[in-house]
Amino acid sequence: SQTIHQWPATLVQPVGSPLSLECTVEGTSNPNLYWYRQAAGRGLQLLFYSIGIGQISSEVPQNLSASRPQDRQFILSSKKLLLSDSGFYLCAWSGGSTQYFGPGTRLTVL
Amino acid sequence: AQSVAQPEDQVNVAEGNPLTVKCTYSVSGNPYLFWYVQYPNRGLQFLLKYITGDNLVKGSYGFEAEFNKSQTSFHLKKPSALVSDSALYFCAVSRYYGGSQGNLIFGKGTKLSVKP
Repeated sequence: SQTIHQWPATLVQPVGSPLSLECTVEGTSNPNLYWYRQAAGRGLQLLFYSIGIGQISSEVPQNLSASRPQDRQFILSSKKLLLSDSGFYLCAWSGGSTQYFGPGTRLTVL
Repeated sequence: AQSVAQPEDQVNVAEGNPLTVKCTYSVSGNPYLFWYVQYPNRGLQFLLKYITGDNLVKGSYGFEAEFNKSQTSFHLKKPSALVSDSALYFCAVSRYYGGSQGNLIFGKGTKLSVKP
């Protein structure tokens, strides 16, 4: 069966520091991968998606970037965090019509 | 443009009573419709989806949803609510067009509170 992992689970970072969040998927090959942010409140905002290694589409211009160095690995990065980057970051994968989500990373920027 | 509306920020139900969480959508082409549930500080869990076929879709934990094309709705229902159903529920839509599926568009979420 397929599983999706995210780490770290929680992160507290100062403004201006770099960021690296990792997402890996097991039990499937060539998945579509997604990064979402859920701000305080509820709504989910699609940040990036990838249909293959090195293929990244950005949905929202911002100081975040994404990379897919391996088939089942998706990384979210920033060179300098802003206060507004705080939120709950969710990675998801799909192999068909349904997206399946990871456990999330709670990021607090102080 | 695609959109999803969940008109209720919160739904309150007594345990044992039926529950409905509402969702309406707007999409050109054929819609793919989904319901997800989120417990505090957790990722979203897939509940059910409508792609094609029978308008009544059954999913996990006793939930079901009915696709109504004329009303462009996809309401989530359960005959008898449990306290453990209390969570945040998201409706999502994507469109199938030209042989491929678009990205999911999520509603803002509805908080379901089931009281004993």
